[in-house]
Amino acid sequence: KAGVTQTPRYLIKTRGQQVTLSCSPISGHRSVSWYQQTPGQGLQFLFEYFSETQRNKGNFPGRFSGRQFSNSRSEMNVSTLELGDSALYLCASSFNGNTEAFFGQGTRLTVV
Amino acid sequence: GENVEQHPSTLSVQEGDSAVIKCTYSDSASNYFPWYKQELGKRPQLIIDIRSNVGEKKDQRIAVTLNKTAKHFSLHITETQPEDSAVYFCAASIPNQAGTALIFGKGTTLSVSS
Repeated sequence: KAGVTQTPRYLIKTRGQQVTLSCSPISGHRSVSWYQQTPGQGLQFLFEYFSETQRNKGNFPGRFSGRQFSNSRSEMNVSTLELGDSALYLCASSFNGNTEAFFGQGTRLTVV
Repeated sequence: GENVEQHPSTLSVQEGDSAVIKCTYSDSASNYFPWYKQELGKRPQLIIDIRSNVGEKKDQRIAVTLNKTAKHFSLHITETQPEDSAVYFCAASIPNQAGTALIFGKGTTLSVSS
């Protein structure tokens, strides 16, 4: 079956702009989590969605938001971009959040 | 909220040696502890996981141990090979009434030299 797909793979944005990233989970998976990966900081948890509801949220400012659609696809939005938002953004899907999580290939965001 | 500490941040071993990576977690209600391997330029992939009702699990050269009392778990790799070189992440589940998600440690960069 198809894996987790993230689009776009690469993005270059200017400070102050906003960006939307997309994640299509594995068919049948209802939990989608988002992580920010930067060197030395590992995988920092942003939020987790299950059946269109945000169930868990990490310690990121309100500029980071997300949503999940009825087909489990999820989007993440970052508003008023800052240079420090440059990172690899990974999403992961799992059946219910407490089982093996499968990662997408990530979206590399560069803020200039 | 849940916090996961991982040590060491870097680990260098000779081929054939063993490698041990340790993690601690803060929430005693966490019940699922996976380990992921991320090779350079690739996505993280699950290599082994353990649930809180089990103390140890082994899969060929890889084993994970869990000490619920001390709230720590460890990854053991025996007979290391150059292809084991990667970044390894531990994770613990966030348990709450709404559901669970995974919190990751900051990763360990393992280098195996031949």
